[in-house]
This record gives sequence, C-alpha cells and structure tokens, in this order.
Amino acid sequence: KNQVEQSPQSLIILEGKNCTLQCNYTVSPFSNLRWYKQDTGRGPVSLTIMTFSENTKSNGRYTATLDADTKQSSLHITASQLSDSASYICVVSETGGYNKLIFGAGTRLAVHP
Amino acid sequence: GAVVSQHPSWVICKSGTSVKIECRSLDFQATTMFWYRQFPKQSLMLMATSNEGSKATYEQGVEKDKFLINHASLTLSTLTVTSAHPEDSSFYICSAEAQQATKDRQYFGPGTRLTVT
Repeated sequence: KNQVEQSPQSLIILEGKNCTLQCNYTVSPFSNLRWYKQDTGRGPVSLTIMTFSENTKSNGRYTATLDADTKQSSLHITASQLSDSASYICVVSETGGYNKLIFGAGTRLAVHP
Repeated sequence: GAVVSQHPSWVICKSGTSVKIECRSLDFQATTMFWYRQFPKQSLMLMATSNEGSKATYEQGVEKDKFLINHASLTLSTLTVTSAHPEDSSFYICSAEAQQATKDRQYFGPGTRLTVT
C-alpha cells in the first residue's frame, strides 16, 4: 500500500532555532516528492518539489533533501520565525495519467518567541 | 504564478440544505481538478477527481450522489454538498492541474470551511 509517514507529529521550537522534519514513503511508482506548508484554515502552499534524480532543493530558509534509494526525505528550516508556525505536509506523487498525490499526515510546527 | 480561488471561503448552513462550492483557476486552464476534504488535525483526503466535460471519479467511500461535482469548463469546477448534515462539516480544498507539462502542475485553492448546524 502506498503510504507517506511523517515525523514528528508535532514540534515546538524557539524562534531563531533550526529544525528538521522527516518523511518516509513507500509510494511506487514514484514521480516526485513535495513539501507543502499549510497555515491553519488555508490551503497548502508548495515549498519544494523534487524528482527522483534530485537530492536537495532550497527555497529561502527551507531546504528539502531526498534519498530515493531509502525513500526518505527531510525538510530543514533554518533560523525559524514565528510565521513558520504551520503544518508541513510531505506529499508524494505517483506516476500515471495524472499525478495522484499521496499525503502524509503532516507535522504541526509551533515556533515560540 | 498559477492561482486557484475558491468561493465561498466559509459557509454556514442548516442541516438538510445543499451548499455549492466553486473552484476556479484564475490564470491557467485546468483539464483536471481535484476535491479534497480535511478534518481538524488531519491531512487532506482526496474525494474525487474531475476532468472537464466528463463525469468525476470518486474515491472509495465517497458518495457521488451526496457530493455532486461539475467541471463544466477549463477554469471552473463546482462541488455541491447535497442534504448536508453536521458530519459533513469540514474544510474542503480544491486543486487544479495545469495543462502545460511542468513538473509541479497541481495548484491548491485556499479552502472553504463548511459548518452544518
């Protein structure tokens, strides 16, 4: 069964600190892996997207890594800000007629002053 | 960048009534649109996939007669929750897939909060 698992489920950090979120997947065939940020009551916003051949992708203070061999990905947030408080969702896309997305449960990050 | 809008952003309705939610791709054409439902503290769950001009494909466990989807044009899809009940209260999110063959073709709307009283 195609699954995406994220850890930790929730995380609290102090403003200015770094953190790393994890994502393991069993989706096959694999098209790409995405990280989304979802603020409460809003739709997901894309942070990064990586294909099989890409190992790392950065978007400002967000850096995603992908190990397609072990089927693991991470999202590293540098110098966290209060506005980083949100859910971060790892999503893996299957190949096919359209890209069906398999969603992880998300990591709820709270950045405290 | 590609923008997807939803209307309304929130709606409160009485049990037994029907509610229509619109999803529009504002600056691109979307041959495929997706409808998701999200309960509190849970991730998005795909409800159905709609292709312009054809019937929607529903995920297992989603009642097609209750959640009516119409994808009448390349920029508009609608989800109608018929005879809504309190258990239908949820956050409904649509996404639209752009026609152009780029890596990230799927763009999400801001969501619609439905509360059924």
